[in-house]
Amino acid sequence: AQSVTQLDSHVSVSEGTPVLLRCNYSSSYSPSLFWYVQHPNKGLQLLLKYTSAATLVKGINGFEAEFKKSETSFHLTKPSAHMSDAAEYFCVVSDVAPSGGSYIPTFGRGTSLIVHP
Amino acid sequence: DTAVSQTPKYLVTQMGNDKSIKCEQNLGHDTMYWYKQDSKKFLKIMFSYNNKELIINETVPNRFSPKSPDKAHLNLHINSLELGDSAVYFCASSRGASGRTDTQYFGPGTRLTVL
Repeated sequence: AQSVTQLDSHVSVSEGTPVLLRCNYSSSYSPSLFWYVQHPNKGLQLLLKYTSAATLVKGINGFEAEFKKSETSFHLTKPSAHMSDAAEYFCVVSDVAPSGGSYIPTFGRGTSLIVHP
Repeated sequence: DTAVSQTPKYLVTQMGNDKSIKCEQNLGHDTMYWYKQDSKKFLKIMFSYNNKELIINETVPNRFSPKSPDKAHLNLHINSLELGDSAVYFCASSRGASGRTDTQYFGPGTRLTVL
């Protein structure tokens, strides 16, 4: 069975300082991992994804994440926060079902990023 | 051009009523999904269709019935609405059938309030 733990429900940073949103996963097979962002009253948008290629993945808006199999982590970082980054962030694990075929994406509970001026 | 659209955006109704939410995607994707997001922002997949065939059916009350008239549309019908059905419902689509690596494209959501 797969699962995702987002270690912080809220992260508060000042504009211009680094962002770190933590995600740990559990998976029986070779997972794909995603980060999605949800701005207030909007749908989700993909930031980046890892699908077994390079372990350091670059996404949109200056975000990146590193897949660390030994630590079962996929933390999201950004060197310098912007006010427009304030949103809800979701880590998602997606794995091949034991019997093959369909997969079921599992979402973390989300981390709310607050950016102070 | 909206890639994944949902109607209505807001839905307020009484307990016991039956309602539908419509979803359309113009991306040419093969797979569509319904998710429920509760008041604590937790997202859970409900259903997934690939080319009009049901491929994921999570533990959802049978009052919820998805219908896919064609691969561009996936509607959600809810019978006998209950207070606990109040949530934001998101439709999404992705290109492939296996979907393990596919990006999902989400609609703007439908906020359902059951009184």
